[in-house]
Amino acid sequence: DGGITQSPKYLFRKEGQNVTLSCEQNLNHDAMYWYRQDPGQGLRLIYYSQIVNDFQKGDIAEGYSVSREKKESFPLTVTSAQKNPTAFYLCASSIGTVYEQYFGPGTRLTVT
Amino acid sequence: GNSVTQMEGPVTLSEEAFLTINCTYTATGYPSLFWYVQYPGEGLQLLLKATKADDKGSNKGFEATYRKETTSFHLEKGSVQVSDSAVYFCALRTTSGTYKYIFGTGTRLKVLA
Repeated sequence: DGGITQSPKYLFRKEGQNVTLSCEQNLNHDAMYWYRQDPGQGLRLIYYSQIVNDFQKGDIAEGYSVSREKKESFPLTVTSAQKNPTAFYLCASSIGTVYEQYFGPGTRLTVT
Repeated sequence: GNSVTQMEGPVTLSEEAFLTINCTYTATGYPSLFWYVQYPGEGLQLLLKATKADDKGSNKGFEATYRKETTSFHLEKGSVQVSDSAVYFCALRTTSGTYKYIFGTGTRLKVLA
């Protein structure tokens, strides 16, 4: 079955540590996205990538980094510079940026 | 700028009641409009979409009509079930410049048996 996988579902880290969230898709989609979701708020875009080896900052990129070395993979690193990293992180993909997005199940990150 | 405004929740209904979740938007040009649903602890699932004025999107008994004159895309369902309990997000995708998806803050629906 085609889809988007995110792992792990729950992640715990100590403050000051970098952590990488995984996102893999086998939909053959060109575009991939990372969003952050906080309670009672909509989704906020962190980074997106339209093609391999290319990515752009979204609305809240500070303290995050990404890479897109393979079409199917778009990992997100939450660095120690991110002031408030505890959140639910959602990865999405689409055929292209003009098409609807499909979402993975999310990773809940807790930093203490 | 572009924005999406949804009615605040939570919305609590009895099973078989009629559902309306209001969504209005502000955007330049002619955006595409979407409704996504999020079940507890999960990602978002595309529920329905409309890409031009007067289009009606429908899926699983839900429907929404793209009303350009009122800049609205209200979600409706004639008879809700307990399994419809979830958070519903209205979203738009702009059509000018680079891609841009804008999501509303979500409306939580709770259906009681």
